[in-house]
Amino acid sequence: DSGVTQTPKHLITATGQRVTLRCSPRSGDLSVYWYQQSLDQGLQFLIQYYNGEERAKGNILERFSAQQFPDLHSELNLSSLELGDSALYFCASSQRGQETQYFGPGTRLLVL
Amino acid sequence: GQSLEQPSEVTAVEGAIVQINCTYQTSGFYGLSWYQQHDGGAPTFLSYNALDGLEETGRFSSFLSRSDSYGYLLLQELQMKDSASYFCAVRDPLGFKTIFGAGTRLFVKA
Repeated sequence: DSGVTQTPKHLITATGQRVTLRCSPRSGDLSVYWYQQSLDQGLQFLIQYYNGEERAKGNILERFSAQQFPDLHSELNLSSLELGDSALYFCASSQRGQETQYFGPGTRLLVL
Repeated sequence: GQSLEQPSEVTAVEGAIVQINCTYQTSGFYGLSWYQQHDGGAPTFLSYNALDGLEETGRFSSFLSRSDSYGYLLLQELQMKDSASYFCAVRDPLGFKTIFGAGTRLFVKA
């Protein structure tokens, strides 16, 4: 158990819908990262937040957005969902100045 | 841009030693990390090299050569449970993006 929690574990929805994925980092970790992993694919970096502020942005679609709240939990919002958005979405957290990222169990999204 | 290359698959026998290579093209980076991911599971951190040389953690070791833009993960005394995907990763010091390699799938046979 990494100490990072993600909800929900599974999500099934239809094309065109909007969903919100939630992540709580390890206690004391200020950085939160979001990744997308499609079937048998690598990890695609989406976005990173540090203490509430956006720190880095990857190839995140405009239909996707994220934020980190004052209590440091983070949410990833996916809208106008398409079939190709079906994937595992991981959240990770890290301590200030540390490269080690601790991953949550992921949210498996299926868009039908 | 930044890119990392790893072999897609490696097969080895239980008890053997296997090396998973990672070559990278970056404009600069903090260091090279390695993660393990079992099917259906989350990536877990294995090792990090900030400086050139070998880092040892139990059965796993990781090596970095900045001059050769190359690193590797060495797994010794292979066990069946080591069958998993292994990813190398770097963080771009300019944009702070984290970039993962495509992953190497390790099959350990009895």
